[in-house]
Amino acid sequence: EAGVVQSPRYKIIEKKQPVAFWCNPISGHNTLYWYRQNLGQGPELLIRYENEEAVDDSQLPKDRFSAERLKGVDSTLKIQPAELGDSAVYLCASSSPEASYNEQFFGPGTRLTVL
Amino acid sequence: GQSLEQPSEVTAVEGAIVQINCTYQTSGFYGLSWYQQHDGGAPTFLSYNGLDGLEETGRFSSFLSRSDSYGYLLLQELQMKDSASYFCASGGGKLIFGQGTELSVKP
Repeated sequence: EAGVVQSPRYKIIEKKQPVAFWCNPISGHNTLYWYRQNLGQGPELLIRYENEEAVDDSQLPKDRFSAERLKGVDSTLKIQPAELGDSAVYLCASSSPEASYNEQFFGPGTRLTVL
Repeated sequence: GQSLEQPSEVTAVEGAIVQINCTYQTSGFYGLSWYQQHDGGAPTFLSYNGLDGLEETGRFSSFLSRSDSYGYLLLQELQMKDSASYFCASGGGKLIFGQGTELSVKP
């Protein structure tokens, strides 16, 4: 069974540029999460989807961040414009209804560097 | 609010036993999970305690005491490959992670 797939793995951009991250969750996992992880910290939830519905986006900086999961499968997270403080690893995770929210499967992440 | 506290780093030798503690403050309790993350890798689920007591999975065990708002991860027969960061986490749909404990296993 394939795991959570993310692309790109690495991205370097200039500040004020836009950037997008893509995630394909494990087949059959209806819950999808985007996290941001700063160096030396634990992951912090940005947004959680149940199928195509964003059920918790309270931590998403909506002035510059947006996300979508149009068909309830893969998802895209966008930052426009990027700021220096956005440099971090962006992790996507998914979970199945049977396993609950406590057992999440993470992708390898996208390491974003904003110069 | 919700917060989880764990030591920032722990060092142990190969073959030893190490315990990583986690204390939490939560507005509601949804159980305690543990994740392992190697440098540059993805967090990987290790265990979940929904009720008090000990859960054992091979060389790893996890314990929870809800009355003490406390849990721990116990790693036995340490191997070099166990060197990683370990995170406790709790929450319902919104999983909150601790800051992580960096475990260094020395030969």
